[in-house]
Amino acid sequence: DVKVTQSSRYLVKRTGEKVFLECVQDMDHENMFWYRQDPGLGLRLIYFSYDVKMKEKGDIPEGYSVSREKKERFSLILESASTNQTSMYLCASSRPNTGELFFGEGSRLTVL
Amino acid sequence: QQQVKQSPQSLIVQKGGISIINCAYENTAFDYFPWYQQFPGKGPALLIAIRPDVSEKKEGRFTISFNKSAKQFSLHIMDSQPGDSATYFCAARRGNQGGKLIFGQGTELSVKP
Repeated sequence: DVKVTQSSRYLVKRTGEKVFLECVQDMDHENMFWYRQDPGLGLRLIYFSYDVKMKEKGDIPEGYSVSREKKERFSLILESASTNQTSMYLCASSRPNTGELFFGEGSRLTVL
Repeated sequence: QQQVKQSPQSLIVQKGGISIINCAYENTAFDYFPWYQQFPGKGPALLIAIRPDVSEKKEGRFTISFNKSAKQFSLHIMDSQPGDSATYFCAARRGNQGGKLIFGQGTELSVKP
């Protein structure tokens, strides 16, 4: 069974802290994505990666960075967390040029 | 700006009824239109998808209707069941940008027994 695993389901951080969200996929997919899910706004793309060490900005990259050192792992980094980054974060992976994304179960981040 | 607009935001349907969710898009470069289903506590999962050269696609009780000239597409759930209660997202793929998906705002469907 295909799987995308997000290491933390729930996190509570304080303003200004550095936050790491980890994602691992076991499907040997080239593409990996980080989305943010907020009520009424749907899923918005933060960053994506087509290959190891490659990354491109999505629609809302401000305040975030990413790292992809290995094909199966894609990390989202909040350098200095702010309260407006309180949200559900979803990682996904896919084969190139397909429309089927496989999502993890999400990481709910609360920034106090 | 929102490139894919979805409505309604929430929907309540009686068991056995038809659920209809609508989406409209602006970018004519989109080349693939999937619908995702998300249950509470889970990530979204692909439900059904359509390409713009087809006007309708049906899989079981789920049908996508696509109107290319109006730049609109919709999901119809026939004989809706309580187990269909979930959040539904339409999406569109940017064909010239490696397959990134742009999602709509989501519709929370509740099917009452």
